[in-house]
Amino acid sequence: DSGVTQTPKHLITATGQRVTLRCSPRSGDLSVYWYQQSLDQGLQFLIQYYNGEERAKGNILERFSAQQFPDLHSELNLSSLELGDSALYFCASSTRWGSSTDTQYFGPGTRLTVL
Amino acid sequence: AQTVTQSQPEMSVQEAETVTLSCTYDTSESDYYLFWYKQPPSRQMILVIRQEAYKQQNATENRFSVNFQKAAKSFSLKISDSQLGDAAMYFCAYRSKSGGSYIPTFGRGTSLIVHP
Repeated sequence: DSGVTQTPKHLITATGQRVTLRCSPRSGDLSVYWYQQSLDQGLQFLIQYYNGEERAKGNILERFSAQQFPDLHSELNLSSLELGDSALYFCASSTRWGSSTDTQYFGPGTRLTVL
Repeated sequence: AQTVTQSQPEMSVQEAETVTLSCTYDTSESDYYLFWYKQPPSRQMILVIRQEAYKQQNATENRFSVNFQKAAKSFSLKISDSQLGDAAMYFCAYRSKSGGSYIPTFGRGTSLIVHP
């Protein structure tokens, strides 16, 4: 158990809908990362937050957004869902942004299925 | 941009035997981190081992060890005394020590099958 929690574990929804994925980092971790893992794309970095502020952006679609709250949990919002958004979404946390010794610890993931 | 290549989509090993998973990467930096992550059927991403590029000594964690060849930009994972629980997808990852955000780049993964 990495200490990172994600809810829900599974989510089934329809095209055009909007969903919210939630992540709680390890105790003491200030940085949260979101990744998308699909069969044909591997593990893709989406976005990073540190202590409530966005720090880095990867291959995140405009239909997707995220935020990190004062209690450090983070939410990833996916809207106007398409079939191709079906994937496993991971959250990872680490202690400090900018620390060269930082290591990311992953949550169990949320499996999103868009029908 | 850094790239990470895992050229073996699938590997198999007999229980109790040793297997080596390969990983190569491309970078112009001199100091960085390399990681191996394990993703079992549960889909959880589990950190297996970490190597700092400036350290010449290969990292080890129990039955897991790496062969780090900096000049060749190679970072292979050796699993000794393979167990059924080692069956998983293994991902190699590179992470810079410069630039601020330290987002790792992952390879496409190697699926390890362990035969009883």
